[in-house]
Amino acid sequence: DIVLTQTPLSSPVTLGQPASISCRSSQSLVHSDGNTYLSWLQQRPGQPPRLLIYKISNRFAWVPDRFSGSGAGTDFTLKISRVEAEDVGVYYCMQGKQFPLTFGGGTKVEIQ
Amino acid sequence: QVQLQESGPGLVKPSETLSLTCSVSGDSIRSEYWGWIRQPPGKGLEWIGTIYYSGNTIYNPSLTSRVTIWIDSSRTQFSLNLNSVTAADTAVYYCARYAVTPGRYFDSWGQGTLVTVSS
Repeated sequence: DIVLTQTPLSSPVTLGQPASISCRSSQSLVHSDGNTYLSWLQQRPGQPPRLLIYKISNRFAWVPDRFSGSGAGTDFTLKISRVEAEDVGVYYCMQGKQFPLTFGGGTKVEIQ
Repeated sequence: QVQLQESGPGLVKPSETLSLTCSVSGDSIRSEYWGWIRQPPGKGLEWIGTIYYSGNTIYNPSLTSRVTIWIDSSRTQFSLNLNSVTAADTAVYYCARYAVTPGRYFDSWGQGTLVTVSS
């Protein structure tokens, strides 16, 4: 199984300041078709997860441009350029390269 | 816009079978893959399994001996059975759409349903 390790576990951030979350994979997420199937999800308190970013850096339909994804191979980063109150929640990375599908352990973003 | 809704008992006794159904609206169940994911209270996400409308399934090896996912005859619902449950199976269970193209991601989720395993 592919293990995804997220750091930090918790990220206290001041409103308007940036936040960064790392996701490291136990093996390369580059598929034989050339794509890298790493996505990010946001889970607000009491809500189901929702897709934020797919294939490393592609923002999903609703996602504001203060969210960005980057990385390659085994190391990936989610950045929020200026944290807003509505960004509070837990962020998960997920790999779709192979089954079993796996998620990172999550990073909690909170306002300090 | 696709909508998913989980339904089923919120309390299951140990050693019995957990059964949930996911109702899909706003999209054809034939359009994509569909999956179940669970989240124990205060913990992270665990993929349970995925089904294609043809009936082909893929399960998490950690659960494969106990799990069955199928699409019912109405073709607007898919269901989950998890047998021989223990307290460790207590979790919020989500159904979701798994989009293979363009990016192999879960793009639509149900609200989730809490299932507690307790006598």
